Amino acid sequence: NAGVTQTPKFRVLKTGQSMTLLCAQDMNHEYMYWYRQDPGMGLRLIHYSVGEGTTAKGEVPDGYNVSRLKKQNFLLGLESAAPSQTSVYFCASSDRARTEAFFGQGTRLTVV
Amino acid sequence: GESVGLHLPTLSVQEGDNSIINCAYSNSASDYFIWYKQESGKGPQFIIDIRSNMDKRQGQRVTVLLNKTVKHLSLQIAATQPGDSAVYFCAVSTDSWGKLQFGAGTQVVVTP
Repeated sequence: NAGVTQTPKFRVLKTGQSMTLLCAQDMNHEYMYWYRQDPGMGLRLIHYSVGEGTTAKGEVPDGYNVSRLKKQNFLLGLESAAPSQTSVYFCASSDRARTEAFFGQGTRLTVV
Repeated sequence: GESVGLHLPTLSVQEGDNSIINCAYSNSASDYFIWYKQESGKGPQFIIDIRSNMDKRQGQRVTVLLNKTVKHLSLQIAATQPGDSAVYFCAVSTDSWGKLQFGAGTQVVVTP
């Protein structure tokens, strides 16, 4: 029962480096989401996808790109990491809008 | 934009007592509301949701109340247990894609 799996769980980047966070879900969900969580704040939506091949901007999309080439995977890319992107990143999926979303365990990213 | 807030950053509850966590929202067009629980080091976990055509919904030991007149919702946990210690987030949605706006969270601490 894997659910939503995020890779990696921890990462330290230097300013200007790039990386890709991988999210995989095995529930055949149409909707997938990337959030970031900063201390003392709730989750903020970065990008989301309503189906394979689709992506859309959320609340805080700047500095990030996403791709959904396969239904089960949702990739989040940072092209040139900045210290302001230090955060915990969560991926989630749901079978439709306005319903329970299942979250991964998170990726703790530090940009130095 | 949407503003979602919680009334108390920390709630201390004695084991066996009932807990009430409050959440205020600003957009009267919000029509879907959801509560998540997040334990330390884990991703958020769905608790219960409610749509705007309802004012109360019950789950196992939890009840969500929605007051659209004053734009307020609350989560009640009956007979609070040590395993209920976590951060609780409310989130609201105003669009058909179900994009959620999260509050900052309330830390619930259960004391023996």
